[in-house]
Amino acid sequence: EPEVTQTPSHQVTQMGQEVILRCVPISNHLYFYWYRQILGQKVEFLVSFYNNEISEKSEIFDDQFSVERPDGSNFTLKIRSTKLEDSAMYFCASTGAGVVPLGVTDTQYFGPGTRLTVL
Amino acid sequence: RKEVEQDPGPFNVPEGATVAFNCTYSNSASQSFFWYRQDCRKEPKLLMSVYSSGNEDGRFTAQLNRASQYISLLIRDSKLSDSATYLCVALYSSASKIIFGSGTRLSIRP
Repeated sequence: EPEVTQTPSHQVTQMGQEVILRCVPISNHLYFYWYRQILGQKVEFLVSFYNNEISEKSEIFDDQFSVERPDGSNFTLKIRSTKLEDSAMYFCASTGAGVVPLGVTDTQYFGPGTRLTVL
Repeated sequence: RKEVEQDPGPFNVPEGATVAFNCTYSNSASQSFFWYRQDCRKEPKLLMSVYSSGNEDGRFTAQLNRASQYISLLIRDSKLSDSATYLCVALYSSASKIIFGSGTRLSIRP
């Protein structure tokens, strides 16, 4: 079964440093998402991306965050200057194998996550 | 008010029991709904989509009540492997934003 992959599985960084989290969505999918989950808390939507642009973003996704699909297979989340409160599990997801708009039959496939620890 | 609200639990039930979770949503523009399960420190995995007519998948039954803005999940004949956190998810009509509830923790005891 096709799967979403994410690298690295764990990233440790110093406060103020830039990090790039990488995801390879399922190849024929059209919609891509980033979520974060602070330990013990709920999964929070960050951003959705379709047709090479951001479709929707949450209040969490401020100017420190950016997303990119640099080469048609990778989907990246960049945090420019990390803060302690950015420590969380970051999940990438993809969906929409040719179905527009996203409907009830579209399954979101999640990657295994990248655990980001900011010291 | 939270956009998607769930009882956090934990629900602690014996194997073989029937257990039900409810979830309420505040935004009537929400278009589609799902139940996901999440095991400890793992990614969410889709359990089932939720339709107004109700749908069943083996031991699991999901129901949507748009008038009252709630979604339910029923698990029959619960197994030890059902122990997990169950996440209620609403998708907005813009089709680009997905909101997760905080999850309901279920623990099945032998």
